[in-house]
Amino acid sequence: AQKITQTQPGMFVQEKEAVTLDCTYDTSDPSYGLFWYKQPSSGEMIFLIYQGSYDQQNATEGRYSLNFQKARKSANLVISASQLGDSAMYFCAMREVNFNKFYFGSGTKLNVKP
Amino acid sequence: SQTIHQWPATLVQPVGSPLSLECTVEGTSNPNLYWYRQAAGRGLQLLFYSVGIGQISSEVPQNLSASRPQDRQFILSSKKLLLSDSGFYLCAWSLGAGINEKLFFGSGTQLSVL
Repeated sequence: AQKITQTQPGMFVQEKEAVTLDCTYDTSDPSYGLFWYKQPSSGEMIFLIYQGSYDQQNATEGRYSLNFQKARKSANLVISASQLGDSAMYFCAMREVNFNKFYFGSGTKLNVKP
Repeated sequence: SQTIHQWPATLVQPVGSPLSLECTVEGTSNPNLYWYRQAAGRGLQLLFYSVGIGQISSEVPQNLSASRPQDRQFILSSKKLLLSDSGFYLCAWSLGAGINEKLFFGSGTQLSVL
């Protein structure tokens, strides 16, 4: 089974609007971390936001927030007030406490329209 | 501060030729090191990871190998490249085994096997 599932291969959003990128995960480990990365066309991987499995509040970092629904095993990324520079691939990832591996989803390509 | 260097940035190799990609980390000790491959427009596939010198875990059986001759050096190799080895290769590191320890990525190597 896939550890991380991103069901939106591509999405469009109008500039200045909010957008939600979906991510569901699969683990039986009670302790895990969830991450979102941005990959612009240059190829670099930029860390955006982190959520721990025991965190009571949803993580926020500037215009990025993580909608963490533990019972549903989802960790959706919300980008508020989209900017043209937000156009990129976005990857959801998970790290389980007992492993040194990071599992990545297949990514969502976000296009921000002016 | 910690930095990660990966080279070369681009590489064009004929089928059947050998490969050596190198990655070094500065500013930290005993990092966990990772090699990922990304096919065009796709997600990240974990190839190898290492928790210490000489300790290599392989995730995908293939004609690639990895070595960690020094604490902060990680090398990806092949004796004979295949067409299917083409892709974007990313080296990454993380500290410790905590669920909040994120991955830091190198700038990547675009490998084209012709």
